Amino acid sequence: AQKITQTQPGMFVQEKEAVTLDCTYDTSDQSYGLFWYKQPSSGEMIFLIYQGSYDEQNATEGRYSLNFQKARKSANLVISASQLGDSAMYFCAMSDNTDKLIFGTGTRLQVFP
Amino acid sequence: DARVTQTPRHKVTEMGQEVTMRCQPILGHNTVFWYRQTMMQGLELLAYFRNRAPLDDSGMPKDRFSAEMPDATLATLKIQPSEPRDSAVYFCASGTGVEDTQYFGPGTRLTVL
Repeated sequence: AQKITQTQPGMFVQEKEAVTLDCTYDTSDQSYGLFWYKQPSSGEMIFLIYQGSYDEQNATEGRYSLNFQKARKSANLVISASQLGDSAMYFCAMSDNTDKLIFGTGTRLQVFP
Repeated sequence: DARVTQTPRHKVTEMGQEVTMRCQPILGHNTVFWYRQTMMQGLELLAYFRNRAPLDDSGMPKDRFSAEMPDATLATLKIQPSEPRDSAVYFCASGTGVEDTQYFGPGTRLTVL
């Protein structure tokens, strides 16, 4: 069965520093997608970045990049130059050969001045 | 700016009452998902549709929950009768297919007293 593991319940980072949020996954499918979502205190789920299992390059979207290590089954999110507005819950998710998303338990990131 | 919309944003009701939540997916998206988020269980998929046809509702308590798509612009999730354990945030999301990004609505925060 597919599974997403986020082992960091909480992370702290100083403004302007980079931070890595960990995500490992388990699947027997060859084709799958990996996603990161941000959930600020207001509650909405904001899509950040996507990586396909066959993509050879790591995905990047502005200050977000996904460190995809297929052999290790990891899909860590790297946020560069952290901002106070980055404080939020971050969820890693995976889709397999269906439409369904399976979410991890999330990491709460707090950015301090 | 295309967005998923959900109504109501907040709902407080008494145990035993019927609750109906509505979702308007992004125009052109053919897959619609209902998720529930609680502190204990995290994000759980309740049901999803492709081209208005229900594909999977295995995450839903069948005796009290029902999900429908009367047309391509409206998805509904009903709970009858509601129970205190149904208190959660219910998200609707839409997308365009397998492994494609799902875009979330703002959620309906349901409190059942």
